[in-house]
Amino acid sequence: QKEVEQNSGPLSVPEGAIASLNCTYSDRGSQSFFWYRQYSGKSPELIMFIYSNGDKEDGRFTAQLNKASQYVSLLIRDSQPSDSATYLCAVRHSSASKIIFGSGTRLSIRP
Amino acid sequence: DADVTQTPRNRITKTGKRIMLECSQTKGHDRMYWYRQDPGLGLRLIYYSFDVKDINKGEISDGYSVSRQAQAKFSLSLESAIPNQTALYFCATSDGQGNTDTQYFGPGTRLTVL
Repeated sequence: QKEVEQNSGPLSVPEGAIASLNCTYSDRGSQSFFWYRQYSGKSPELIMFIYSNGDKEDGRFTAQLNKASQYVSLLIRDSQPSDSATYLCAVRHSSASKIIFGSGTRLSIRP
Repeated sequence: DADVTQTPRNRITKTGKRIMLECSQTKGHDRMYWYRQDPGLGLRLIYYSFDVKDINKGEISDGYSVSRQAQAKFSLSLESAIPNQTALYFCATSDGQGNTDTQYFGPGTRLTVL
């Protein structure tokens, strides 16, 4: 079992709709959770992080964390073509010395 | 100017050659990391350093070595390159603060080993 799992996609969503990206993790002691966006050939950039159960909103983005189910998700409202990218879920290990990345979900927003 | 820079941006080399990838940062962060990215495998940690005197192996350190020359500089070496080290390499930094400790990535080095 991978430590951080994501569906590789591609996930195709119509413009203006809500895109829902999911991530599960295996280490129950994980403390912090991150979503990064990566455009093709570019470096990852942080969208948002979350470390408490529940929802955290930042503009069109909402991160949701459920530690009991070991599940974190990212919702993108009013999806735009510019949101087409690979989204990486990352989890801070309980040892707090490193972050484990999932393999990413490729999102495509169709006009 | 970019906060995290990597040189070279692209490199083609032959099997058995020694190469060095360099990373510099102006963010003032103590923590620096080297990752490689392969299609479908996400980012995998090679080495990380929490200060100049601290070097730690990541999950895939075999075939690699690093040097932390200063707080701002962290180099990755491939002593004898092999084709399966062909990948996109990223350097990253973080400030080590609390629950966030967000990682900031350089632009990447695309390495091809023939």
